[in-house]
Amino acid sequence: LAKTTQPISMDSYEGQEVNITCSHNNIATNDYITWYQQFPSQGPRFIIQGYKTKVTNEVASLFIPADRKSSTLSLPRVSLSDTAVYYCLVGGSQGNLIFGKGTKLSVKP
Amino acid sequence: NAGVTQTPKFRILKIGQSMTLQCAQDMNHNYMYWYRQDPGMGLKLIYYSVGAGITDKGEVPNGYNVSRSTTEYFPLRLELAAPSQTSVYFCASFRGQGEKLFFGSGTQLSVL
Repeated sequence: LAKTTQPISMDSYEGQEVNITCSHNNIATNDYITWYQQFPSQGPRFIIQGYKTKVTNEVASLFIPADRKSSTLSLPRVSLSDTAVYYCLVGGSQGNLIFGKGTKLSVKP
Repeated sequence: NAGVTQTPKFRILKIGQSMTLQCAQDMNHNYMYWYRQDPGMGLKLIYYSVGAGITDKGEVPNGYNVSRSTTEYFPLRLELAAPSQTSVYFCASFRGQGEKLFFGSGTQLSVL
């Protein structure tokens, strides 16, 4: 079971690019890397998922190095509405999906 | 397509009471999960199921029970509620590896 480690918190300003790195040294061959965003009083919602290299969608990019022991979520030009907790989730091949502590991102004007 | 539906949204229990948190999904997902989230903390896995008739313990199973008689429903039972079980409970479902988790809107439970 891949355990994840992320920074507890990050601060940014509107319009900046934010990069959040997650460490997952014990990732298994079949594991995908998925990032979720959570606002207060809501369930987490999917942002992006990848297996290797780089993935980009309309809201974020995900960078995964060749050894897959870490991943970086990149949020371009953040706004106040991006203030949330971001979770990196690795695993699922055995069914149990265990979240790490997440990164609390605060975006300031 | 309603996704993952949780009921109730709010509940107050007295110490020692029992209740069942309901969770239903209409996406025919094999995998279902129950998480709890204490104020300001991350999600903790209580129980999960990889298919009808199969359940397994997560990180914090004590004080809870689950059943999975059908693909659609995954109820969470609290027996003898304790103040330590005051939390927000999220149910989620998942098609399988390479797919994303879908979460319900949560049940806010207070045990007084």
